Amino acid sequence: DGGITQSPKYLFRKEGQNVTLSCEQNLNHDAMYWYRQDPGQGLRLIYYSQIVNDFQKGDIAEGYSVSREKKESFPLTVTSAQKNPTAFYLCASRGQGWYTGELFFGEGSRLTVL
Amino acid sequence: AQSVTQLDSQVPVFEEAPVELRCNYSSSVSVYLFWYVQYPNQGLQLLLKYLSGSTLVKGINGFEAEFNKSQTSFHLRKPSVHISDTAEYFCAVSEIGLTNFGNEKLTFGTGTRLTIIP
Repeated sequence: DGGITQSPKYLFRKEGQNVTLSCEQNLNHDAMYWYRQDPGQGLRLIYYSQIVNDFQKGDIAEGYSVSREKKESFPLTVTSAQKNPTAFYLCASRGQGWYTGELFFGEGSRLTVL
Repeated sequence: AQSVTQLDSQVPVFEEAPVELRCNYSSSVSVYLFWYVQYPNQGLQLLLKYLSGSTLVKGINGFEAEFNKSQTSFHLRKPSVHISDTAEYFCAVSEIGLTNFGNEKLTFGTGTRLTIIP
């Protein structure tokens, strides 16, 4: 089955540690996205990538980093510089061509900083 | 810049009653509009979208939405809700560029939590 796989589903981290969230897709999509979800704030865009080896900052990129070395993979690193990292993180992808706007989402990773 | 407002953070509705979830947007150019649904501890999935043409759009699970350009609204409706509709619903907007492609970024509203009362 085609889709987006995020791992781990739950993650606990101590303050001051970096952590990397994995996102893999087998939909052959070019564009991939990372969103952060907090209660009452909806989804906010962290980073997005439209093609391999290229990515752009979203609205809340500070304290995060990404890479896009392969079409299928778009990992997100939450660094110690992110002041409030506890949140639900969602990865999404979108195919190329006439814009339909449909994003396909993974099931999310919930990060808790202790 | 585009923005989306969902005024109702929570909407309780009795089972089999109708429901309307409100969405208003702001943009200086033409837009594409979307509704997504999120079940507990899951990702989002597309309910329906408006790209062009008829302003009344039908989606999955019996939902529909109407695009009103003059009121900059895209309200979501269902004539009779079920327990399984309990979820959070997000409205999203994307501005249309010169080539009719979206601007590669969707802006989401803050979400409306729909609770169905048996």
